[in-house]
Amino acid sequence: GESVGLHLPTLSVQEGDNSIINCAYSNSASDYFIWYKQESGKGPQFIIDIRSNMDKRQGQRVTVLLNKTVKHLSLQIAATQPGDSAVYFCAERPVLNAGGTSYGKLTFGQGTILTVHP
Amino acid sequence: GAVVSQHPSWVICKSGTSVKIECRSLDFQATTMFWYRQFPKQSLMLMATSNEGSKATYEQGVEKDKFLINHASLTLSTLTVTSAHPEDSSFYICSAPRGIRLAEQFFGPGTRLTVL
Repeated sequence: GESVGLHLPTLSVQEGDNSIINCAYSNSASDYFIWYKQESGKGPQFIIDIRSNMDKRQGQRVTVLLNKTVKHLSLQIAATQPGDSAVYFCAERPVLNAGGTSYGKLTFGQGTILTVHP
Repeated sequence: GAVVSQHPSWVICKSGTSVKIECRSLDFQATTMFWYRQFPKQSLMLMATSNEGSKATYEQGVEKDKFLINHASLTLSTLTVTSAHPEDSSFYICSAPRGIRLAEQFFGPGTRLTVL
């Protein structure tokens, strides 16, 4: 479904701490999930993705966890830095329908504003 | 990595005028592009899917006559906000998917529209 359009929750952490950002997704049929980082006045940047046949994936300083039972996704950022301050969005993609309009279409979650204090 | 550009990056216009925003995939061809709208401190909301060579597909609640989409080539989609009003002021972002099953999606830098 569409993102709700509510005002974004916030998370404040100290530099060096680990951050955990959570996301509840809506479509149990989604097969692919992505985390994006969006800095002020810019478009979203890809951080990490995970497919529905996995429950954990690690990147550089980031880990994504997927719990399909409760339709929950989380992003863990290790040793958070001031440059990590941004808005973080999860996005889900429904199972691709090659003949339909959902091909490649993403639904974005609510988003979380992360502020890292030096 | 792939690059998607948007032009202009910001625009201010008077109420009642029309504004055209361009989205270009710079180093790959995109038969499909997506247009999103983002209000301050809110998430991205998909407005429409732009299809090269055919009509755009609009999400529920998005007026197709107000937000005209043209996907003229494999690297260019345009969004025209017709008869803009202050409530159309927003951040408009396009994206272009590519790769196997269009799994990779690249976002433009966004266009800030302010309607006075």
